[in-house]
Formats: sequence, C-alpha cells, structure tokens
Amino acid sequence: GNSVTQMEGPVTLSEEAFLTINCTYTATGYPSLFWYVQYPGEGLQLLLKATKADDKGSNKGFEATYRKETTSFHLEKGSVQVSDSAVYFCALRPRSNDYKLSFGAGTTVTVRA
Amino acid sequence: DGGITQSPKYLFRKEGQNVTLSCEQNLNHDAMYWYRQDPGQGLRLIYYSQIVNDFQKGDIAEGYSVSREKKESFPLTVTSAQKNPTAFYLCASSSSGERNEQYFGPGTRLTVT
Repeated sequence: GNSVTQMEGPVTLSEEAFLTINCTYTATGYPSLFWYVQYPGEGLQLLLKATKADDKGSNKGFEATYRKETTSFHLEKGSVQVSDSAVYFCALRPRSNDYKLSFGAGTTVTVRA
Repeated sequence: DGGITQSPKYLFRKEGQNVTLSCEQNLNHDAMYWYRQDPGQGLRLIYYSQIVNDFQKGDIAEGYSVSREKKESFPLTVTSAQKNPTAFYLCASSSSGERNEQYFGPGTRLTVT
C-alpha cells in the first residue's frame, strides 16, 4: 500500500538555523508529493508540491526535491524564523486515485528567537 | 473571499449523543473530504465525495456518516457507535482533475465526555 514516513519530532531550532525534515514514501508507480504546514489551532495549508521525479517544489523559502531513486521528498529551509514554528506534514497522492492523500505523522518544529 | 468554513471551532458532547459537524465551501470544488487528526498522528481519511449525491468510505469510516446534497456542503455526523470520537476534524475540498490540490478548513475540535 501507500505510506509516508517522516522524521520524528519535535525539532527545536534557533532563528536563522538550517532546517531539514526527512520524508520517505512507499507507493506503486509515481505519486505526486506534497508538504503541508499547520500553524497552531488551524487547518492545513499547502506549502509546496512536486508531481514527477526530479521536480523541485519551493515556496516561502522552503524547498523539496522529488527523488525517485531514494523515494524521498525532504523539506529544507536555509534560515528559519520564529514564524516558521508549526507542524509539517509530508503527503502523497497515488496516480491510481486522484482523490486520496496519504499523510505522514507530522513533525513539530519550534523556532526560538 | 473564497474558502472553507467549519463550525463550530470547539464542540462538546456527552457520550451516546450523535453530533453533526458542518463544512461549507464556496470554491466551486467538486470534491470534498473529511479527515480526523489525533495527537502525534497524521490525518486519516474518514469519507470523501467526488460529486453531489455520491460519497465513498475512507480508511476509518466506521461510526461516521455523511451526506452530499449540495455541492457546497458536506456535513459529517459522528454517531454514538464511534468508539473514540474525541479528535480534531478537518474538512477539505478540491477541484477534479490533475491539479486538484486539497484546500483545508480551520477544523473543529470535538470533545466527548
């Protein structure tokens, strides 16, 4: 079946530090991959996506590259801010079903000033 | 403003009572979804609907029911048969086709005692 594995949190960083959140997936074929962000008490917002191998998604200083050979989609940001404190979810959508997303467990990130 | 509305933000019920959570969208999206979020876990799909008057069970449909009588609305009923109903419930919607990113509402936190 389809599944997503994220690095466990929580992750605590100082402002301007480099952030990496690992995400690997298991899926048949070539799924689309997503990163969503959830700020405290809110719903999820789409952060970035990639729909095919070697695609790089980017938004708000965050980047992730779709690596088919390692079945990974790691999220990175070069210099985090306090406002980046949130829960980050990696997700995949299989080619076989455009409607179903499979989510990782989420990684809580706290950035301290 | 286009978006997804979920109400109320917090809901309290006694054990044994059915409760209905509201979800409305004005994005003109065909598809709508209900997810459940528990601490330390990713989102799990309860039900989804690709079109009016049609819906499918997700991964954890037992103890829940839905209806889709209007394109804009997809209410979720948490029945007394649901063993552990206390959770954060998120509604989402998407357009149909290849570029169908899911957009999420702000969520409803249900507490059953």
